[in-house]
Amino acid sequence: QVQLQESGPGLVRPSETLSLTCAVSGYSISSGYCWGWIRQPPGKGLEWLGTIYLSGITYSNPSLQSRVTISLDTSKNQFSLKLSSVTAADTAVYSCARQIVAAPGPYFDYWGQGTLVTVSS
Amino acid sequence: SYELTQPPSVAVSPGQTASITCSGDKLGDKYACWYQQKPGQSPVVVIYQDTKRPSGIPERFSGSNSGNTATLTISGTQAMDEADYYCQAWDSNTAVFGGGTKLTVL
Repeated sequence: QVQLQESGPGLVRPSETLSLTCAVSGYSISSGYCWGWIRQPPGKGLEWLGTIYLSGITYSNPSLQSRVTISLDTSKNQFSLKLSSVTAADTAVYSCARQIVAAPGPYFDYWGQGTLVTVSS
Repeated sequence: SYELTQPPSVAVSPGQTASITCSGDKLGDKYACWYQQKPGQSPVVVIYQDTKRPSGIPERFSGSNSGNTATLTISGTQAMDEADYYCQAWDSNTAVFGGGTKLTVL
């Protein structure tokens, strides 16, 4: 069974960089698929942050593109998210997910449970 | 930027059919999927590639996509189907989610 688990600080100061890691078990990320990050502000909807392919190519939400960095660590079977220059508007539950890329119509089939990150001084 | 629009809420009586719409420019030319999210839980895909159901998703869930609108239909709605539903599509290598629809089973 594929499982994803997010980890990282639950509190980040404004203007600093949010860093999260997603550990994958039950599947080797070097075997294929893509890996993505999605967030959900409290009481609001889902927002895609970005996706990384096994090749290392990443696509990010244009509204956040310059602040988002996603990377893979196949040796640890995990991938990571960095979001720079955070503000209170970045407070959300951050989730990692596996993305099916079989064309057409990619979708996210396995999700982590999500981790709440609060931006506050 | 591309946008997907959903009604904020839909109400249905148990046993009846619920329809949740998702509108976007020429959405029918893309592929839509639908996620169900219950309180405190992660989203679960219930429909992908417009009409396909993942294994384990009940047959009462179905989808369609044509023109500017994708529709999630739940036939014989049960109390356990009460949840938030999100549509999602891709536009120029960008994943776009609809704003979500809260389905209430009265």
